[in-house]
Order: sequence, then structure tokens, then C-alpha cells
Amino acid sequence: GAVVSQHPSRVICKSGTSVKIECRSLDFQATTMFWYRQFPKQSLMLMATSNEGSKATYEQGVEKDKFLINHASLTLSTLTVTSAHPEDSSFYICSARALLETNEQFFGPGTRLTVL
Amino acid sequence: EDQVTQSPEALRLQEGESSSLNCSYTVSGLRGLFWYRQDPGKGPEFLFTLYSAGEEKEKERLKATLTKKESFLHITAPKPEDSATYLCAVQAVGLTGGGNKLTFGTGTQLKVEL
Repeated sequence: GAVVSQHPSRVICKSGTSVKIECRSLDFQATTMFWYRQFPKQSLMLMATSNEGSKATYEQGVEKDKFLINHASLTLSTLTVTSAHPEDSSFYICSARALLETNEQFFGPGTRLTVL
Repeated sequence: EDQVTQSPEALRLQEGESSSLNCSYTVSGLRGLFWYRQDPGKGPEFLFTLYSAGEEKEKERLKATLTKKESFLHITAPKPEDSATYLCAVQAVGLTGGGNKLTFGTGTQLKVEL
């Protein structure tokens, strides 16, 4: 149980384009999903917290107009990187907290974004 | 501000050579401490949650312990397949949104050799 998927696993795009990443909880309902980014040999940095049916909460320094988050249902959250630039290239990972469960967060496999 | 420091940054062990990884933390009020395993190019895999000082949890060759200032991940008789980066994270007591937030350390990269 507690499986989280992400799609796509890898994406390469041109500078200035937008990229959408999906995060799904496959076998449980998640009221809260989280989006992280991870640079090489660094730890996970929380970007935003996504609650189903409400606006996402962004961490300090994260541009909400650049990183659009939509938590459409209890099993799906999307992150759209708008007008991507090379400095947005990173490993993006989502996690989900199970409804009515304890505090564990279960992570997706990540999406490697490369902006040319 | 919550802080998590992991040591060592990297560790090489021979197969069967037991050792411990350290996670020191400062947090206003601890809601939970989490250990994850991360393989290259993949998302973190949940291992343990510890909630109070003195608590211990075990899973196969891994054992996690918790004090008021730090947590240890003990690896007994490791095998090459235990090679990975081990991440520690803390969750602070707080409002619902902030209380869900995990603050991660930078991890310990473990390499177990034959």
C-alpha cells in the first residue's frame, strides 16, 4: 500500500515553455500533497503544500506564479513550471499524506526536469 | 527554525561491518522524526517514524533510536543492497499546514562493499 506515482519520470523542454508534472496517490486518498525539489547531492527542499480543494501554501522564496499547483482531487496534484528556464532544471518529487493515517509522507519516484 | 544535521556525509563499510548513522536535530516541539532511504534518481522510501525519546523501531538489518537531541540509524551486518542515501527529517508541532512540513537533513551516503 501507500504508493505514489509521478508522470512523467523525465522531461526535457526548451527555455520558455511550460511543463506539467502529475502526482497521484494510487491506493489511498491524500488530503495533503507536498512538492519538493532536489539539486544534485543536496537534500529535499519543500516548495509548497497542496491541500485538496484549496490554494497551495508556498514556502518562502518560491514563486507561486511560476510554480502553479492544482490539487484537483484526493488522489491527484499537479505542478506546472511556467516559462521554464535552465535554472529550473532539477529533480522534482511529490509526496502524499494519507487521509486519517499518521504523519507519514509517502514519496513518488520523482521527475527529472531538464530545461535547455 | 528547525534544523537537521546528519553525519557522516558519506560512509564506506565492508559487508557485515555494523555501524551507525547520526541525525542531530533542533526543533521547537517534535511531532515526529522520520528516516527514509533514497536510491539514486528515485524518490525517498519510508523506513521509520519515531515520536518520543526512548522509542526504538526495527526493520530487518536497520534499527532506529531517538533521544531528545538526536536519532541513530543502526545498520547491523550490512549487505551491498543496503547501499543508498539515508535521509532524516523532522516534523514540528504546529498548525495543521505547518505541522505537516518535513525538514530534511542532507543525508548520509552509504556504500557497502563486498
